[in-house]
Amino acid sequence: DAGVIQSPRHEVTEMGQEVTLRCKPISGHDYLFWYRQTMMRGLELLIYFNNNVPIDDSGMPEDRFSAKMPNASFSTLKIQPSEPRDSAVYFCASSRQGSPLHFGNGTRLTVT
Amino acid sequence: AQSVTQLDSQVPVFEEAPVELRCNYSSSVSVYLFWYVQYPNQGLQLLLKYLSGSTLVKGINGFEAEFNKSQTSFHLRKPSVHISDTAEYFCAVSEAGGATNKLIFGTGTLLAVQP
Repeated sequence: DAGVIQSPRHEVTEMGQEVTLRCKPISGHDYLFWYRQTMMRGLELLIYFNNNVPIDDSGMPEDRFSAKMPNASFSTLKIQPSEPRDSAVYFCASSRQGSPLHFGNGTRLTVT
Repeated sequence: AQSVTQLDSQVPVFEEAPVELRCNYSSSVSVYLFWYVQYPNQGLQLLLKYLSGSTLVKGINGFEAEFNKSQTSFHLRKPSVHISDTAEYFCAVSEAGGATNKLIFGTGTLLAVQP
């Protein structure tokens, strides 16, 4: 079991650029979550999917953020255009119904 | 809706001393409770969880936590800490029996173990 795999580990980009974060959940897990971690707000749930369908995106900050899950083994979180205040560590996590979350190692995003 | 409060942002402790990290929650429905640990530059790992049954829950690395419904608390304890326990600890809550594993996290407590 390779765990939840996120890429890239680090991303540095300029304000206004498009950023795409990627996540491969653990095989067999039917829930996928995107969290954002900052010093000011801690861990915030952005969006989660069940069986590839977005269930709750109320945590997505604004229209610049979008997430997709085209199949059971892949999800993306896109920010377009990016802003300095988007700088954070973005975590992906997956689980089965009734089981705890398994987190990836995160993507550290820096927007200059 | 649920919420979690971790009042201590940082807890310094000497090696081999006992430690307690505090967690209080708020919810209008029954909840599941979790403690996660985050080592530097890594994701979160599950330490232990309370779903039902015995209110004293034992987890990995010698940690345990006690669910206290009347005080809406789920404090984490370890009788003797090691340098390697230095990390950020997060308490989390989810709705019991809900259709999801949607977790709400506290703001975290940095456990700093000193030699």
